[in-house]
Amino acid sequence: NAGVTQTPKFQVLKTGQSMTLQCAQDMNHEYMSWYRQDPGMGLRLIHYSVGAGITDQGEVPNGYNVSRSTTEDFPLRLLSAAPSQTSVYFCASSYGDRGWTGELFFGEGSRLTVL
Amino acid sequence: DAKTTQPTSMDCAEGRAANLPCNHSTISGNEYVYWYRQIHSQGPQYIIHGLKNNETNEMASLIITEDRKSSTLILPHATLRDTAVYYCIVRGAGSGGYQKVTFGTGTKLQVIP
Repeated sequence: NAGVTQTPKFQVLKTGQSMTLQCAQDMNHEYMSWYRQDPGMGLRLIHYSVGAGITDQGEVPNGYNVSRSTTEDFPLRLLSAAPSQTSVYFCASSYGDRGWTGELFFGEGSRLTVL
Repeated sequence: DAKTTQPTSMDCAEGRAANLPCNHSTISGNEYVYWYRQIHSQGPQYIIHGLKNNETNEMASLIITEDRKSSTLILPHATLRDTAVYYCIVRGAGSGGYQKVTFGTGTKLQVIP
């Protein structure tokens, strides 16, 4: 049972480049979300999804795009990377309204550096 | 989701109980209290959750006050491996209350030999 898988684990970008952080879960969770964590800080919610085809903004959505075409996958796209987006990104998932326990399962993180 | 307030840092002697407080004075009736911890830069790990009754599992105990405005996570015999940042969050059930899950900055627990 893989749980929540994030790829890549490390990435270096130049300012202005675009890229996609991948997140996949094999637990049939309806809810998925993306957080960023800056050094010495807590987690801030970027975007979340309550099911395939449904996404919404979190606390810090600017500069990021998401889509949810399947239950399993929730990619995070950086459209034009900026140094301020240097951070560690975490994907999380949980059950939604059905079979709800509320426990969030996190991936191991993707460490992004924008030069 | 309701906001939570936690102390920035705490120390605990190895082998002693670690008591981590959390204030969630604006919690609503259908919101649960959850605790997670983050070791180094790993993904946060679920510890325990509760609604209004005290809860215990193999990792910790959760004490929620009768008015539900605060709670305490108890690690009964702290070890060096419990050194981590501990996050207290609240999350609602149903009617979309579970959707926008926000974390604060947590409490950095240092277990001292």
